Amino acid sequence: RKEVEQDPGPFNVPEGATVAFNCTYSNSASQSFFWYRQDCRKEPKLLMSVYSSGNEDGRFTAQLNRASQYISLLIRDSKLSDSATYLCVVFQYNQGGKLIFGQGTELSVKP
Amino acid sequence: DGGITQSPKYLFRKEGQNVTLSCEQNLNHDAMYWYRQDPGQGLRLIYYSQIVNDFQKGDIAEGYSVSREKKESFPLTVTSAQKNPTAFYLCASSDRDRYNEQFFGPGTRLTVL
Repeated sequence: RKEVEQDPGPFNVPEGATVAFNCTYSNSASQSFFWYRQDCRKEPKLLMSVYSSGNEDGRFTAQLNRASQYISLLIRDSKLSDSATYLCVVFQYNQGGKLIFGQGTELSVKP
Repeated sequence: DGGITQSPKYLFRKEGQNVTLSCEQNLNHDAMYWYRQDPGQGLRLIYYSQIVNDFQKGDIAEGYSVSREKKESFPLTVTSAQKNPTAFYLCASSDRDRYNEQFFGPGTRLTVL
């Protein structure tokens, strides 16, 4: 079983749609959680951290459920520029400070 | 401008040859990392270094070697022992004790012909 698993993609949605990505992690010792965005053939960039209380940044909302070991990302009113691959990432300090990446979910927003 | 640079952007090599990928950062970060990404997959950790002259194997270190002689530099050598070297290689760095906040370079795409 992979340590971090994401919805298989791709997601193809029209502009203005709301889209949700799901992610589960297997190691309960995971301490920090993030969503990264990766454009085609580019490096990943941090989109937002994920907190237990849930957090919002404009059109993006991230949620964490530690009991279920589940992370989500909601994008409202999607734009063409949101088209990218979204990577779910967990951090485990007890393994030398290690980021563990999910395989990514590709989003394509169409006009 | 502070940041991480990787060179070259694209690299082609013949089977059986060793090749070294460059990674330099001017962020004054203590820790540096090398990841590999294959199509449709997440990043996998090859090696990391939390301090000069020290480094640790990640999950997929076989066929790779690194050095950390300077704080700013963390070169990765892909040796001929690496069975499937064609991949996208990403270098990252972070502050000491902020290992969860890693900043990535633009990557090197290695193709073995």
